[in-house]
Amino acid sequence: SQKIEQNSEALNIQEGKTATLTCNYTNYSPAYLQWYRQDPGRGPVFLLLIRENEKEKRKERLKVTFDTTLKQSLFHITASQPADSATYLCALSPWSTPLVFGKGTRLSVIA
Amino acid sequence: EAGVTQFPSHSVIEKGQTVTLRCDPISGHDNLYWYRRVMGKEIKFLLHFVKESKQDESGMPNNRFLAERTGGTYSTLKVQPAELEDSGVYFCASSQEQGWGDYGYTFGSGTRLTVV
Repeated sequence: SQKIEQNSEALNIQEGKTATLTCNYTNYSPAYLQWYRQDPGRGPVFLLLIRENEKEKRKERLKVTFDTTLKQSLFHITASQPADSATYLCALSPWSTPLVFGKGTRLSVIA
Repeated sequence: EAGVTQFPSHSVIEKGQTVTLRCDPISGHDNLYWYRRVMGKEIKFLLHFVKESKQDESGMPNNRFLAERTGGTYSTLKVQPAELEDSGVYFCASSQEQGWGDYGYTFGSGTRLTVV
């Protein structure tokens, strides 16, 4: 069956460190993969999109990698801050179909 | 620009009643999506409109759910009659392209539906 797994439900790290979140998928051939941030009581907010033919994408302190052989995406936040604390969602889509979401990883950055 | 607006933000109804959720997408976004998150589960796709047409309604759980998008602008999602398992947070999202552009989907804050 098709599955998206985000490595852990919760991740605690110290301020200033790099947070690394993992998204693994099975039985999908995604054309692209997206990462979203969700705060309590709010809808997901789009962060980054990476296409199947791209290895890496960066935006400010964020970096996403996409390995279609390993069927895995890594999401990094460098120099993490308490304001980065939120749930991060991985979402993917084969061509022309709506996004499918993982359950998310709740990140807590401790000062 | 204004974001995606959903109304109401919360709704508590009794089993068997009818509830209508509304979504106003970003102006000019042809693509509108409904998603739902039930407690402890991932956000799941319900359906996708392109303008006023249903492009994909494969995620609609059953015929108690009816979605419309009048004139390709706002959308409504009606649940009639509501059952306990319909409780959850209903999200609406819109996008200009079908999600593979560089801007992703823009989500509303959701409607928390509780059926008692």
